[in-house]
Amino acid sequence: KAGVTQTPRYLIKTRGQQVTLSCSPISGHRSVSWYQQTPGQGLQFLFEYFSETQRNKGNFPGRFSGRQFSNSRSEMNVSTLELGDSALYLCASSFGLAGRNEQFFGPGTRLTVL
Amino acid sequence: AQSVTQLGSHVSVSEGALVLLRCNYSSSVPPYLFWYVQYPNQGLQLLLKYTSAATLVKGINGFEAEFKKSETSFHLTKPSAHMSDAAEYFCAVNPKRAGSQGNLIFGKGTKLSVKP
Repeated sequence: KAGVTQTPRYLIKTRGQQVTLSCSPISGHRSVSWYQQTPGQGLQFLFEYFSETQRNKGNFPGRFSGRQFSNSRSEMNVSTLELGDSALYLCASSFGLAGRNEQFFGPGTRLTVL
Repeated sequence: AQSVTQLGSHVSVSEGALVLLRCNYSSSVPPYLFWYVQYPNQGLQLLLKYTSAATLVKGINGFEAEFKKSETSFHLTKPSAHMSDAAEYFCAVNPKRAGSQGNLIFGKGTKLSVKP
């Protein structure tokens, strides 16, 4: 069974631009969660989608948004990029709602904002 | 607010020595607890999880962790370190509050180095 895939793996943008990251969960998994990883703040939860609905949201500004499609694939979008948005963005999928269910992580998308 | 504290941002052990990575959580009720490992340029891989069953949890690659409610701890151990264990380890908690499903709260991580 294929694992969680994220595209692109690396991305370079400039301040003010917007970016869209993609995540394909493991086949059969309906929950997709997004995390931001930075050296300073560590791993922080962005949001979780289940059956195309946002079920939980972390403490991030409205510039960060996401969506989930009927095939469970998910995208996250960051508008008006800031230097501080440079991070590794990780996507995780689980069969049911994440929590006691194991979350399987993708390799991440490394975003650099210049 | 829920939090996870990992004592020691860097731990170095010799090959064959005991590995002990410490994790303490703050939660009003016993949460679900997880240990993840991250190798360079890769995502996170689940090592083991505690979800209110046995307090001693065995995971992959010879790792295990013991949930101690009285100490609010969930330390990760491995009897004998291998060079391939060198990586960053993250302790995480899910508070089990309504609406918190999926909201894993991570510790800052501990980088494990293994000396030959």
